[in-house]
Amino acid sequence: AQSVSQHNHHVILSEAASLELGCNYSYGGTVNLFWYVQYPGQHLQLLLKYFSGDPLVKGIKGFEAEFIKSKFSFNLRKPSVQWSDTAEYFCAVNTGSGNTPLVFGKGTRLSVIA
Amino acid sequence: KAGVTQTPRYLIKTRGQQVTLSCSPISGHRSVSWYQQTPGQGLQFLFEYFSETQRNKGNFPGRFSGRQFSNSRSEMNVSTLELGDSALYLCASKSNSEAEAFFGQGTRLTVV
Repeated sequence: AQSVSQHNHHVILSEAASLELGCNYSYGGTVNLFWYVQYPGQHLQLLLKYFSGDPLVKGIKGFEAEFIKSKFSFNLRKPSVQWSDTAEYFCAVNTGSGNTPLVFGKGTRLSVIA
Repeated sequence: KAGVTQTPRYLIKTRGQQVTLSCSPISGHRSVSWYQQTPGQGLQFLFEYFSETQRNKGNFPGRFSGRQFSNSRSEMNVSTLELGDSALYLCASKSNSEAEAFFGQGTRLTVV
């Protein structure tokens, strides 16, 4: 069965610091990869997605992620975080054509302090 | 376009009762999935319905069931509620031609 691992449970950063959140998945076939964000009291929103092509994908709010197939990784990055980035971040994967269920990591809580 | 709508937003139920949650997908989306979100387990897949048929199922007991109507609206039912069923229940809809899922705000169920 597929699984997704997010290495950091809680990350605390100062404003303007750089962010990298790790995500590894276990599945050897074709994957679709996603990062979702959940701001306090709000619904899950898609930050970015990778289906194929350029392994470096850019999303909303200055986030980007790099798909490294050999490492089964899809790490999320942002060069300079803001207080408003405080949220929970979820990495997710589904396979093939995308009609399989999304499998989520357990999430990383990001706290950005002034 | 309107997003995924879940009702009600909050529910408090007593152990042993049953509950029904509702989800209206984005117009044109025929796939509806349900997830349970808890602090300890994260988001866990319950089931997916597509064109009124259950297409995928997660590892939850038979107390958790669902259905989908011809207008793609979906309901999820939990019978004989247990304290451990307290969670945020999320619904997601997607079109069959795309892998991206869109989530509703969830129904927070508290079992006392």
